[in-house]
Amino acid sequence: AQSVTQLGSHVSVSEGALVLLRCNYSSSVPPYLFWYVQYPNQGLQLLLKYTTGATLVKGINGFEAEFKKSETSFHLTKPSAHMSDAAEYFCAVRPYGGSQGNLIFGKGTKLSVKP
Amino acid sequence: NAGVTQTPKFRVLKTGQSMTLLCAQDMNHEYMYWYRQDPGMGLRLIHYSVGEGTTAKGEVPDGYNVSRLKKQNFLLGLESAAPSQTSVYFCASSWNGTATRSGANVLTFGAGSRLTVL
Repeated sequence: AQSVTQLGSHVSVSEGALVLLRCNYSSSVPPYLFWYVQYPNQGLQLLLKYTTGATLVKGINGFEAEFKKSETSFHLTKPSAHMSDAAEYFCAVRPYGGSQGNLIFGKGTKLSVKP
Repeated sequence: NAGVTQTPKFRVLKTGQSMTLLCAQDMNHEYMYWYRQDPGMGLRLIHYSVGEGTTAKGEVPDGYNVSRLKKQNFLLGLESAAPSQTSVYFCASSWNGTATRSGANVLTFGAGSRLTVL
């Protein structure tokens, strides 16, 4: 069965520091890959997605992620953290050939940003 | 531009009571979904629908029923609530499209409904 692993349930960085949130998936065929963000007491919203094409994907709020097939990874980065980035981040995959919305979500990584 | 609206936002039930969560979307999306979110578990798919009048089971369907009588609405029912169903429930919707369509594969989520079963 497909799975998504997010390393670290909590990540803390200082304002202005690099943000790196890790995501690995298990799949023999590259799936569609997503990062969603959830701010407190809100629903999830899409940060970025990879379906086909360029492996470096840029999203909203300065985030980007790189699909690395050889490492089965899709890590999320941002060069300089801002206080407003504090939220929970979810990596998700749609298995190849799977139905839309049958996304498999990771367990989430809560990002804290220290002043 | 409402997007996906869930009602109610909060509800407290006693074990054995029934209730229905309502999800409404105004984007003319074909697909709709119900997820539950539990601490440390991520989101898990309960049921989904690929069109009016059709529903299908997700990863954790037991104890829930759904109906999609109108394209814009997707109802989640609990016939006999149990404490294990205490959770935050999210509705989402999406286009039925190919990967080349800009909105394809992207879910729009509601703000969530927090349910507590005592």
